[in-house]
Amino acid sequence: QVQLVQSGSEVEKPGSSLKVSCKTSRESFTQRVFIWVRQAPGQGLEWMGGIIPKYASTQYAQKFQGRVTITADESTSTVYMELTSLRSGDTAVYYCARGKIMVGVTGLPHYYYGMDVWGQGTTVTVSS
Amino acid sequence: FVLTQSPLSLPVTPGEPASISCRSNQSLLHSNGYDFLDWYLQKPGQSPQLLIYLGSNRATGVPDRFSGSGSGTDFTLKISRVEAEDVGIYYCMQALQSLTFGPGTKVDIK
Repeated sequence: QVQLVQSGSEVEKPGSSLKVSCKTSRESFTQRVFIWVRQAPGQGLEWMGGIIPKYASTQYAQKFQGRVTITADESTSTVYMELTSLRSGDTAVYYCARGKIMVGVTGLPHYYYGMDVWGQGTTVTVSS
Repeated sequence: FVLTQSPLSLPVTPGEPASISCRSNQSLLHSNGYDFLDWYLQKPGQSPQLLIYLGSNRATGVPDRFSGSGSGTDFTLKISRVEAEDVGIYYCMQALQSLTFGPGTKVDIK
């Protein structure tokens, strides 16, 4: 059974950066998208961005443009999410998830959907 | 894209049917014929799980009491007979342009 295993909880100071990892199996890495979603305390789900490792293509939510970077290391089948300039509003549980992809008009993978495997979540607290 | 769900809170009786609506301010129907709308359930204390993808396709392992329908801007998730394990928050998510989640519908037992 495919699993996504995320790195552990973190406490960060305002203004610092955060990097969370999400490890899966080599078989799970190909032809799939990996996205990051966060959930502030008592709030709903918020998409941050995603990456298709096979093509190294990324998409980011406009809200996080310039502050988030998602990368993938195929040698270890691990996806990373880095968030910079942390503030208290970034306190949340961060989830990675694996989904399906569909090609767009260019013939290249463009659409993400059907997130069928989720990590256990990483709790991030931003506090001075 | 903005998604609205109704109701936001849904008390249910085990064995009875339940229905959740998700509406988009723009059509989620692609020219290829697919509606880019998924449904997820987040049980208390757990990560979200996929129920339905592309409007009406049940994910692997999801009980057949769950069904998704609709197209364009109006979608519905139906549970034919609610079970106690179905409590949690249900989210719809559009995937036509970036990804956006609805606000969630909290389902609990009456």
